[in-house]
Amino acid sequence: EAEVAQSPRYKITEKSQAVAFWCDPISGHATLYWYRQILGQGPELLVQFQDESVVDDSQLPKDRFSAERLKGVDSTLKIQPAELGDSAMYLCASSFLPGEHEQYFGPGTRLTVT
Amino acid sequence: GESVGLHLPTLSVQEGDNSIINCAYSNSASDYFIWYKQESGKGPQFIIDIRSNMDKRQGQRVTVLLNKTVKHLSLQIAATQPGDSAVYFCAENNFNKFYFGSGTKLNVKP
Repeated sequence: EAEVAQSPRYKITEKSQAVAFWCDPISGHATLYWYRQILGQGPELLVQFQDESVVDDSQLPKDRFSAERLKGVDSTLKIQPAELGDSAMYLCASSFLPGEHEQYFGPGTRLTVT
Repeated sequence: GESVGLHLPTLSVQEGDNSIINCAYSNSASDYFIWYKQESGKGPQFIIDIRSNMDKRQGQRVTVLLNKTVKHLSLQIAATQPGDSAVYFCAENNFNKFYFGSGTKLNVKP
């Protein structure tokens, strides 16, 4: 069964350092989402792509976060500089169509900022 | 922002019993409501959704009930199994934006 791939699974970084996460969605899924999930809370949408275009980044802290999906397939989320409050699980999800409820989530990247 | 909250953070049930997980939402304009299951160390997994013009929808061993009058959503799991142990999130879709609640942890006791 096709799955959303994410790497790394775990990342420990010091504050003020740069960090990047990678996501490879299910083949053929045009819509890609990045979520942040703080422990004990539900996922919070950071950015949504339709193919290579950003359709919603209203919750993305643009002073330090950036996301790209240059060829409309895999995607990278970057944080620079990382802050202690960025410690969380970063989840990538994809769906065939925008707004489709059956989003397929990857296993996530657990980020710890020290 | 949207407010999607849950009544109970943790629910413990005996294996074989039925489980009911509740959720309150704030935006009456949301088009759909969705339930996700998240097992430890994994990303959320879609369970079932319900359109805002419906009040009940059934799936395999699961039923979602929507009460728009009191802005309440529930997920019923029949004959709960150990594999159902997870955190359950409700979410709402408002103009293709998804807002997740904070989750209820379901513990299934053998």
